Amino acid sequence: DVKVTQSSRYLVKRTGEKVFLECVQDMDHENMFWYRQDPGLGLRLIYFSYDVKMKEKGDIPEGYSVSREKKERFSLILESASTNQTSMYLCASTSLPGRANTGELFFGEGSRLTVL
Amino acid sequence: QQQVKQSPQSLIVQKGGISIINCAYENTAFDYFPWYQQFPGKGPALLIAIRPDVSEKKEGRFTISFNKSAKQFSLHIMDSQPGDSATYFCAASKGGNNRLAFGKGNQVVVIP
Repeated sequence: DVKVTQSSRYLVKRTGEKVFLECVQDMDHENMFWYRQDPGLGLRLIYFSYDVKMKEKGDIPEGYSVSREKKERFSLILESASTNQTSMYLCASTSLPGRANTGELFFGEGSRLTVL
Repeated sequence: QQQVKQSPQSLIVQKGGISIINCAYENTAFDYFPWYQQFPGKGPALLIAIRPDVSEKKEGRFTISFNKSAKQFSLHIMDSQPGDSATYFCAASKGGNNRLAFGKGNQVVVIP
């Protein structure tokens, strides 16, 4: 089974702190994504990566950065956390299109971040 | 802007009833339409998906109906069970690029 692991399920941080959210997948997937989930707003794409050291902005990248130094690991970074970044963060991965790809995204269980 | 719009926002259904969730999209280049199911405390998981070359796809009690001309697709949950209580997201993408545009989600509650 594909496993996407988000190491921190719950975090509480203070305004201005730097926050790292880690995500690891074990299926050798090329594509990895970070989403933010808020009630009434659904899933919004923050950043994604098609390959190591490659990143592309999603729909709401402001206030975030990412790092992908290894294929299996995709990190989301909040350089200076703010209260409006309190949210559930979901990591996902999938294989490249055209390689028996069903388009299925495999999600982690989420990291709930509270910024005080 | 919201590329995929879901309705209703929430739904309460009696056990054994039919749950219907609708989605509409604008981008005619979309060619892949999945539905994701999310239980509390879990990440979303793919439930069922359809491509526009068919008008309907059924997997067990779950059916997607697709209307290309109306740019709409819907999820039908037949014989709804309390275990189906979850949040459901519709989504769409184009060209197999895996960058899905998600709807805002529907919370479905099935009461015994």
